Amino acid sequence: GIQVEQSPPDLILQEGANSTLRCNFSDSVNNLQWFHQNPWGQLINLFYIPSGTKQNGRLSATTVATERYSLLYISSSQTTDSGVYFCAVSNTGNQFYFGTGTSLTVIP
Amino acid sequence: DAGVTQSPTHLIKTRGQHVTLRCSPISGHKSVSWYQQVLGQGPQFIFQYYEKEERGRGNFPDRFSARQFPNYSSELNVNALLLGDSALYLCASSLSGGSYEQYFGPGTRLTVT
Repeated sequence: GIQVEQSPPDLILQEGANSTLRCNFSDSVNNLQWFHQNPWGQLINLFYIPSGTKQNGRLSATTVATERYSLLYISSSQTTDSGVYFCAVSNTGNQFYFGTGTSLTVIP
Repeated sequence: DAGVTQSPTHLIKTRGQHVTLRCSPISGHKSVSWYQQVLGQGPQFIFQYYEKEERGRGNFPDRFSARQFPNYSSELNVNALLLGDSALYLCASSLSGGSYEQYFGPGTRLTVT
């Protein structure tokens, strides 16, 4: 299967700070998604981004498929951004592989 | 529009028992996938179903089985429960298999005692 590594594993930020989360994957993919998991376990879709760059408010993401990595940028972080961020990839569409996540804590 | 729904929300079972978890996909979505998330880890793929046929299976024992109904809802069954089956079980729906965005339900938290 595809190995997915996320870094850093843990991140603590002051409110208002910016951050970059990274996702490396071991094989070519045709599906890549970023999720935010809230404290109740709900996975919230952030980006569907198998390649290219997208922006949504304070969040943006870039996937460089040829180099097998994706980046999630969070600007002007807020306490509500706290939680675990997951990257998930697939190269068949039938089986998706998740990384171990980045746990983000934003301090007021 | 309703998102992905799962039932029950929480469940407590005893070792050796059987459990059935249910999932209803977003209206118009024909593919359902199941994942197991153990505390502190990322979700692990269990099954994908599309048009009532199994399209993918993860590395889980035969105690795990699933099916999809004509209305595209799905059930995940686990037999002979073990303590290690305690986890959050997540269901995701997408338009079909292949390169489509997945949307997750709120999950069912299973505790095996």
